[in-house]
Amino acid sequence: AQTVTQSQPEMSVQEAETVTLSCTYDTSESDYYLFWYKQPPSRQMILVIRQEAYKQQNATENRFSVNFQKAAKSFSLKISDSQLGDAAMYFCAYRGDNFNKFYFGSGTKLNVKP
Amino acid sequence: ETGVTQTPRHLVMGMTNKKSLKCEQHLGHNAMYWYKQSAKKPLELMFVYNFKEQTENNSVPSRFSPECPNSSHLFLHLHTLQPEDSALYLCASSQVGWGRDINTIYFGEGSWLTVV
Repeated sequence: AQTVTQSQPEMSVQEAETVTLSCTYDTSESDYYLFWYKQPPSRQMILVIRQEAYKQQNATENRFSVNFQKAAKSFSLKISDSQLGDAAMYFCAYRGDNFNKFYFGSGTKLNVKP
Repeated sequence: ETGVTQTPRHLVMGMTNKKSLKCEQHLGHNAMYWYKQSAKKPLELMFVYNFKEQTENNSVPSRFSPECPNSSHLFLHLHTLQPEDSALYLCASSQVGWGRDINTIYFGEGSWLTVV
C-alpha cells in the first residue's frame, strides 16, 4: 500500500514570512495525484493545492506553491507571506490508480505568530 | 455553504446505544467516503461507495455499518461501540471520471463522536 509521510508534527512561522512543509510518499505507480489539505480549528478539511504527477510544472495557488520532485517522491508545500488565517493542520494526500483510495499523512500543525 | 454536510456535529453515546451519522453531498459526485480521524494518526479510510455500491471496506469492525441509499446520501450506523471509537468521523465525496475537478476529494465538517 502507498504511504504518505509528514515528518514535521508541528511548525511555527512569523506572520508575513515563508514556511515550507515537507511530505514524502512511497509508490510504484507512475500516474497519480498529490494534494495538500488544510484543516483549521473548525475541522473542515479544505483543498489547498493539487498536483498531477505527469505535469512537470509545480502547481501554484496564490501564496501557496509546491515543490514536486517525482524522482525523490517528495511533495513540499511553500506558504509565502504567511497570515494568521493560515494556522491549521496541513495534510498531504496521495491518490493513485485506485480512484477510491486517498492516502493521507499524519499532518503538520502550523502555528503563525503575529 | 459547504458542499458536503454532516449531522450531527457532535454525538455522545453509551456503549449500548444505537445511533447514526448522516452525510449529504450537494456536488453531484458519484463516490462517497467515511474516514475516521483520531488524534495524532493519519486519516483512516473506513468505507467507499461508488454509484451507491460499496467498493471498499477497510477491515472496519461490524459495529460500524454503512448505508448509501443514493449517490447523494451516506449513513454510518453505530451500535455497541467502544470508548476507543471516539473520534472525528469525516464524510467526503469525489467525482470519479474525467474532467478538471476530477480526482479531488471534498470533506464535510465532521461529526465528533464520544463513546462513554
